[in-house]
Amino acid sequence: GQNIDQPTEMTATEGAIVQINCTYQTSGFNGLFWYQQHAGEAPTFLSYNVLDGLEEKGRFSSFLSRSKGYSYLLLKELQMKDSASYLCAVLDSNYQLIWGAGTKLIIKP
Amino acid sequence: NAGVTQTPKFRVLKTGQSMTLLCAQDMNHEYMYWYRQDPGMGLRLIHYSVGEGTTAKGEIPDGYNVSRLKKQNFLLGLESAAPSQTSVYFCASTFGDTDTQYFGPGTRLTVL
Repeated sequence: GQNIDQPTEMTATEGAIVQINCTYQTSGFNGLFWYQQHAGEAPTFLSYNVLDGLEEKGRFSSFLSRSKGYSYLLLKELQMKDSASYLCAVLDSNYQLIWGAGTKLIIKP
Repeated sequence: NAGVTQTPKFRVLKTGQSMTLLCAQDMNHEYMYWYRQDPGMGLRLIHYSVGEGTTAKGEIPDGYNVSRLKKQNFLLGLESAAPSQTSVYFCASTFGDTDTQYFGPGTRLTVL
């Protein structure tokens, strides 16, 4: 079966750095997406990785290791507005997105 | 540009009733998707379409039907609602299967 694992919940302090991990086992791999979802709202795109390595975009970075089936999302200089769920999704061999259950990130002042 | 819109935003049904959820996008996207999101679970694909006039089954198609008569619209139908279909339904669209999916605001459906 196909499986995406992420921690259910994480807590961090405003101004700090947090790393959200995602491990996956899927039938094929055509890329990995990270989305942000605030409570009661729609998911919005954060990043896309298809090759190994780090992609940096402002305060957010995403890393991929295809050989390990592993990715992480790194959030720097945390702000209260970063309190949200972060969804990891893998594009499988059929080009369908397989979604993790999401990691709820709680930011404390 | 409105992006992706969904109608209605909220709905309460009784078991056995039917309804249609409408998704509309103004970005000229070819691909459209219907997902449901339940607590503690990832988004699950119900049905999708790769172009006007086409539809295909996703991971959990049973109890749902879809139609894509116009490129900009993707309809999700529940013929006989069941309490297990209580969920938040999201529509998404994209240019191609490796591109970013853009989501609508969701429809919160409760089946009593």
